[in-house]
Amino acid sequence: AQTVTQSQPEMSVQEAETVTLSCTYDTSESDYYLFWYKQPPSRQMILVIRQEAYKQQNATENRFSVNFQKAAKSFSLKISDSQLGDAAMYFCARTSSGNTPLVFGKGTRLSVIA
Amino acid sequence: SQTIHQWPATLVQPVGSPLSLECTVEGTSNPNLYWYRQAAGRGLQLLFYSIGIDQISSEVPQNLSASRPQDRQFILSSKKLLLSDSGFYLCAWGTSATQYFGPGTRLTVL
Repeated sequence: AQTVTQSQPEMSVQEAETVTLSCTYDTSESDYYLFWYKQPPSRQMILVIRQEAYKQQNATENRFSVNFQKAAKSFSLKISDSQLGDAAMYFCARTSSGNTPLVFGKGTRLSVIA
Repeated sequence: SQTIHQWPATLVQPVGSPLSLECTVEGTSNPNLYWYRQAAGRGLQLLFYSIGIDQISSEVPQNLSASRPQDRQFILSSKKLLLSDSGFYLCAWGTSATQYFGPGTRLTVL
């Protein structure tokens, strides 16, 4: 089975500091997509950032950036200048090209300390 | 812009009762549609996905079923709910490998 592993069940960060959430995955494909989703207390899944495996450049969305290491099958999320509103569950996910469903990790709960 | 709706938002049902959860998407045509379930404190489990109006794939054999009566409508059903069906149900639509989620339905089976 092609899995996604998030080894940190919980993380915490001081407001305005930087935190990195880890994710590794298993795949035999060369072309795929990776995602980070945020799930706040409302429980709606919100897309944070997306990375295409064929792109060497790491994706960036404002304070959120990724470190994509294809050979190591690693996809970490860095949150800079953490804000109270960043507190949530964060899920790493991958999918193959096309219509295949997402495979999710078990999530990391991020707390932001004021 | 695209919008995805789910209803109801919250549902409390007795064991053995039927279920119908609805998901609709606006602003796009022929979307891929997905149903996921999230048990308390756990990750997401794929239940069904559909890449076309006549194509629905089931990932988990259980007492749930899915239908797609219209291009942008996806229904999750059960004839008889079990206690284990309690959870948070999320519908998603997808394009170009990216999926966008609805607000979810919290189902409690008593």
